[in-house]
Amino acid sequence: GDSVTQMEGPVTLSEEAFLTINCTYTATGYPSLFWYVQYPGEGLQLLLKATKADDKGSNKGFEATYRKETTSFHLEKGSVQVSDSAVYFCALIIVRDDKIIFGKGTRLHILP
Amino acid sequence: GAVVSQHPSRVICKSGTSVKIECRSLDFQATTMFWYRQFPKQSLMLMATSNEGSKATYEQGVEKDKFLINHASLTLSTLTVTSAHPEDSSFYICSTQDTGQETQYFGPGTRLLVL
Repeated sequence: GDSVTQMEGPVTLSEEAFLTINCTYTATGYPSLFWYVQYPGEGLQLLLKATKADDKGSNKGFEATYRKETTSFHLEKGSVQVSDSAVYFCALIIVRDDKIIFGKGTRLHILP
Repeated sequence: GAVVSQHPSRVICKSGTSVKIECRSLDFQATTMFWYRQFPKQSLMLMATSNEGSKATYEQGVEKDKFLINHASLTLSTLTVTSAHPEDSSFYICSTQDTGQETQYFGPGTRLLVL
């Protein structure tokens, strides 16, 4: 069935380090892909999205490219900040039925 | 088994009526639940944060008087769409998170169609 797999956390980095959080998916059809972020005590917020192969989503210095050949949508940021500490969720929507499927989330800790 | 349930799964109503959606946490007590709305083929939009025993916190642009949230117990939160209109037709999803865990547990969603 359709699913999302993302790297397990927690991920701990120093400020200004390069970040990669891996996300791969399995889906029948052509999904739209998303990254959501959840700051402590808050609900999910959409971080970025891509709706077709080779699209790159970007926001707040984060980027992710829809790679159909590797069924991946890895999240990257060149220089993380303490304020980026949060839980990040990869997700997909199967267009034909609107159902959204989430990965299990990756907790990111950024040390000053 | 499912950790979070929602009821009903699908509802069709006439314009002007109110609809109540229940969200239940089955395996753990949740002091906080989240309510989301998903427009067709689009991403989730956070509507409000539901806190047990206190008033919900609404996101900017979400009408408090239209989308009434009641977190009556540690396992139940309800969302009432009052005087529903066709533009309220959407997919409503709740979620919760066990304390100290990363995983969000999402309800299966409620599809609302207002005629």
